[in-house]
Amino acid sequence: EAQVTQNPRYLITVTGKKLTVTCSQNMNHEYMSWYRQDPGLGLRQIYYSMNVEVTDKGDVPEGYKVSRKEKRNFPLILESPSPNQTSLYFCASKRTANTEAFFGQGTRLTVV
Amino acid sequence: KQEVTQIPAALSVPEGENLVLNCSFTDSAIYNLQWFRQDPGKGLTSLLLIQSSQREQTSGRLNASLDKSSGRSTLYIAASQPGDSATYLCAVMQDSGGYQKVTFGIGTKLQVIP
Repeated sequence: EAQVTQNPRYLITVTGKKLTVTCSQNMNHEYMSWYRQDPGLGLRQIYYSMNVEVTDKGDVPEGYKVSRKEKRNFPLILESPSPNQTSLYFCASKRTANTEAFFGQGTRLTVV
Repeated sequence: KQEVTQIPAALSVPEGENLVLNCSFTDSAIYNLQWFRQDPGKGLTSLLLIQSSQREQTSGRLNASLDKSSGRSTLYIAASQPGDSATYLCAVMQDSGGYQKVTFGIGTKLQVIP
């Protein structure tokens, strides 16, 4: 089954403790991206990747890092999480930049 | 800066009614526009993708139109069903200063009453 898989689905952590949210797709898509969704603000793009080793900032990249060492994986790294990064995070992939996007199930992160 | 607005923010209709959801965007230089539905606690499900050169796309009871020059798209849902209850989001994609920017609207929350 074609899918985008995120892990974990839920995470509660403390301020400053590094964490990684994994994202994997099995569709051989070139383009992957991360979003956060907050009430009243909608989904905002954090980072995206056009292909392996090619990443770029979205609208809200501060406090986040990404890497794209393999085509199927695009982890989101929070080196020192803060409470304002409490949010619902989504990973998405597309065959190319201009095609249909497929989303993961989301990761609800709480930073206390 | 691209802004995407969805009206109405919420909509409640009786089962069987035809309805229209609206999406407007301020910068018409887009590659495409995509409609999604989001169910509570779940991810986004793609409904329809319209390329900038297209006027409309259809899938089953759904029809999406795009008027790029006026910065508008509509999602038409025919013969609504309770299972259509969800939040509907539109998103536009464009090249902005050399990077691939995606801007979402905040969504229309639809409730279809049996």
